Amino acid sequence: QVRLVESGGGVVQPGTSLTLSCAAAGFNLESYAMSWVRQAPGKGLEWVAVLSHDAANKYQAGSLKGRFTISRDNSKNSVYLQMNGLTPEDTAVYFCAKGIGRGVLGAFDLWGQGTMVTVSS
Amino acid sequence: SYALIQPPSVSVSPGQTATISCSGDKLGHNYVSWYQQRPGQSPLLLLHQDKQRLAGIPARFSGSNAGNTATLTITETQSVDEAEYYCQVWDSATAVVFGGGTKLTVL
Repeated sequence: QVRLVESGGGVVQPGTSLTLSCAAAGFNLESYAMSWVRQAPGKGLEWVAVLSHDAANKYQAGSLKGRFTISRDNSKNSVYLQMNGLTPEDTAVYFCAKGIGRGVLGAFDLWGQGTMVTVSS
Repeated sequence: SYALIQPPSVSVSPGQTATISCSGDKLGHNYVSWYQQRPGQSPLLLLHQDKQRLAGIPARFSGSNAGNTATLTITETQSVDEAEYYCQVWDSATAVVFGGGTKLTVL
């Protein structure tokens, strides 16, 4: 079964760091761009970062001010999101999403179930 | 930064046609994608490249994009279509942009 499985969420204190993982099952992730999208409680989708299939092209939302870093390990069929300096405004469900192609320009045709990150003291 | 504007809500009667708009500067120059998100679920890609339906998406869902507005049209709307709908585009300055979402209510 083709799916994405996120992990690594939880409750953390402000100012700390957290790394989310996204494992692909049923397909080879190395052929596709991958992205992270988050959704705060009761809010809309907010794009976080995207990475091309070969990690040569990487973009992230300007609002994050460089605090988050997307990476991938194609040998492990996984994508990661390193999050630093977390604030309560980062509280959200974080979705991993597969690009429809190799590059970063396309749509996202497969989404994980999401992992919840709560930043609270 | 680039912004996509969607109406917060749209209502439609069962069996009727629902239209959801997505506005942005020169939006017609870019490919638009549309996603459906039912409560408690992950987003589902419906259309990409303005009007290309993903496999398994009913033909009731169609899209268009011209000028500053893209439109998602749902014909013969059913109660199962009640969900939040998001448009999305790639912008050279902002990268990936999502609209604010439109809640479709089937009355």
